Amino acid sequence: GAVVSQHPSRVICKSGTSVKIECRSLDFQATTMFWYRQFPKQSLMLMATSNEGSKATYEQGVEKDKFLINHASLTLSTLTVTSAHPEDSSFYICSARDPGYNYGYTFGSGTRLTVV
Amino acid sequence: QQQVKQSPQSLIVQKGGISIINCAYENTAFDYFPWYQQFPGKGPALLIAIRPDVSEKKEGRFTISFNKSAKQFSLHIMDSQPGDSATYFCAATHTGTASKLTFGTGTRLQVTL
Repeated sequence: GAVVSQHPSRVICKSGTSVKIECRSLDFQATTMFWYRQFPKQSLMLMATSNEGSKATYEQGVEKDKFLINHASLTLSTLTVTSAHPEDSSFYICSARDPGYNYGYTFGSGTRLTVV
Repeated sequence: QQQVKQSPQSLIVQKGGISIINCAYENTAFDYFPWYQQFPGKGPALLIAIRPDVSEKKEGRFTISFNKSAKQFSLHIMDSQPGDSATYFCAATHTGTASKLTFGTGTRLQVTL
């Protein structure tokens, strides 16, 4: 089946610094990837849809200048949290859709970001 | 119209029992209904999915029941095991190009010994 690899799994950074999270589709080409944020005991909140070779589409209320998304190739999308603050601490998850996998959406293992 | 409502919020089931989680949707354009299982600190993993042209799909101990007219679908976990203790999310989407998933609010299942 489709595999999505997400790194790092955990990261701690100082307030004001930037953090990059990578999401790779390992055995399929993903023209579209999705980035989610999840707060404790809550559902997944879609932040943006990442399209290969074009600008990401952000959901309402998500700051595009703070959460930079780049989808430079068919297998890699990155999320950069710029000038991170403690309120950005959260669990970030990427997802990709493999049309060859019965339309399944495969999720990465998530990144726990802690801003101190 | 994009909402997917999920219940219950939490569920405690004894080992060997049946766990039932329900979801209801509003958007009649939805044509793909997956269920995801998520363990703490991990990303969601696809458990089972159904399309509206069938009323039931079974994979091992997991069954989805789908009622198109009522716009409802449910997950049944037979012979529930402690290892099934996790959070379960239903979701729905229209399988057009780059369609996003709409998630339910999640159900925390605890299977006791």
